Amino acid sequence: AQSVAQPEDQVNVAEGNPLTVKCTYSVSGNPYLFWYVQYPNRGLQFLLKYITGDNLVKGSYGFEAEFNKSQTSFHLKKPSALVSDSALYFCAVRDTGYNDMRFGAGTRLTVKP
Amino acid sequence: GAVVSQHPSRVICKSGTSVKIECRSLDFQATTMFWYRQFPKQSLMLMATSNEGSKATYEQGVEKDKFLINHASLTLSTLTVTSAHPEDSSFYICSARDGGTWDTEAFFGQGTRLTVV
Repeated sequence: AQSVAQPEDQVNVAEGNPLTVKCTYSVSGNPYLFWYVQYPNRGLQFLLKYITGDNLVKGSYGFEAEFNKSQTSFHLKKPSALVSDSALYFCAVRDTGYNDMRFGAGTRLTVKP
Repeated sequence: GAVVSQHPSRVICKSGTSVKIECRSLDFQATTMFWYRQFPKQSLMLMATSNEGSKATYEQGVEKDKFLINHASLTLSTLTVTSAHPEDSSFYICSARDGGTWDTEAFFGQGTRLTVV
């Protein structure tokens, strides 16, 4: 079975400050982990993924995420937030041998000027 | 990244009618496409996995006779909401993966806002 949890419904940060959006996962095999961003009335845009190798993954728009196997986490981070980063962020997991992904509930990020 | 085009982006239909939503992979071949439903302020719920040339695999609780899926080619999957009712109003999103390996990410269409009146 595969599942993912995003413990925070809402994250608020000030522009220029670092941001973190949390994600934890549960799989029976090896996880493939993804982060997507969604703007209002739009589909999801791919940000980054972890498959194997270096635990720190760099993605689009200055975002990065750190895979932590012992804590089963894959938190999304950015050193300096922009107002334009305000959106809905989804973490997703695909377990070994599964074709589909499971998504977290989503975290709404608001960056205030 | 790869492009997935979904059409229409918005549709309003009368109760009892059927609506077809198209999902196309524009620059890659997708043997598998996925259909999701998203309620306001909620996550994506996987409805079904669409396989080219074969029957779709539906998730538990999704009515296959109501949500007809056809994946006739490697670049096109369609979702038809039959005999639509107001409770079918939702945001429907398709996705597709480029390649058959497990480490490829999925690319998403822009979504279809269905309103049944």
